[in-house]
Amino acid sequence: DVKVTQSSRYLVKRTGEKVFLECVQDMDHENMFWYRQDPGLGLRLIYFSYDVKMKEKGDIPEGYSVSREKKERFSLILESASTNQTSMYLCASDRGPEAFFGQGTRLTVV
Amino acid sequence: QQPVQSPQAVILREGEDAVINCSSSKALYSVHWYRQKHGEAPVFLMILLKGGEQKGHEKISASFNEKKQQSSLYLTASQLSYSGTYFCGTGGRYSGNTPLVFGKGTRLSVIA
Repeated sequence: DVKVTQSSRYLVKRTGEKVFLECVQDMDHENMFWYRQDPGLGLRLIYFSYDVKMKEKGDIPEGYSVSREKKERFSLILESASTNQTSMYLCASDRGPEAFFGQGTRLTVV
Repeated sequence: QQPVQSPQAVILREGEDAVINCSSSKALYSVHWYRQKHGEAPVFLMILLKGGEQKGHEKISASFNEKKQQSSLYLTASQLSYSGTYFCGTGGRYSGNTPLVFGKGTRLSVIA
């Protein structure tokens, strides 16, 4: 059974903290993605990666960075968390036409 | 740029039909459809490719009009299990391996 695992389902962080969201896939997929999901705005692409060490900005990269040191792991980093980054974060990886999503991390920044 | 979906929300009774539309201002080479049930991850429904080929595994149909840059998802004889938010996506491996970009979603509620 294919799996994309996000390290936390819920996180509460303080403004200004550095936050790491981890995502691991066990399918040997080359492509991995980070999306942010907000009510009424759908899924918005933050960053993506097509290979180890490679990263590309999506539509809303401001305030975020990513790291991909190993093929199976793609991390999203909030350098200095702000309240407007409170959201649901979804990681995905794809093979052929189908993308597989993790369960999401609901991040609250207070 | 996000594809545009309509309607934003729809409520159906069991057995009724619904159509969800997706349009893009850019040329489309493939359209992807996903469904997200409440509290769960989005799940792939199907992909429609330029030229008419369709890959999917659900008993839900869709059309793809390349000239109009539109796709429609058809849910017939809806069941309670069809409830959820439906997203269309553009890009992906069949579109020059560009990243998958999703619309804002259509919330479908099926009631008994």
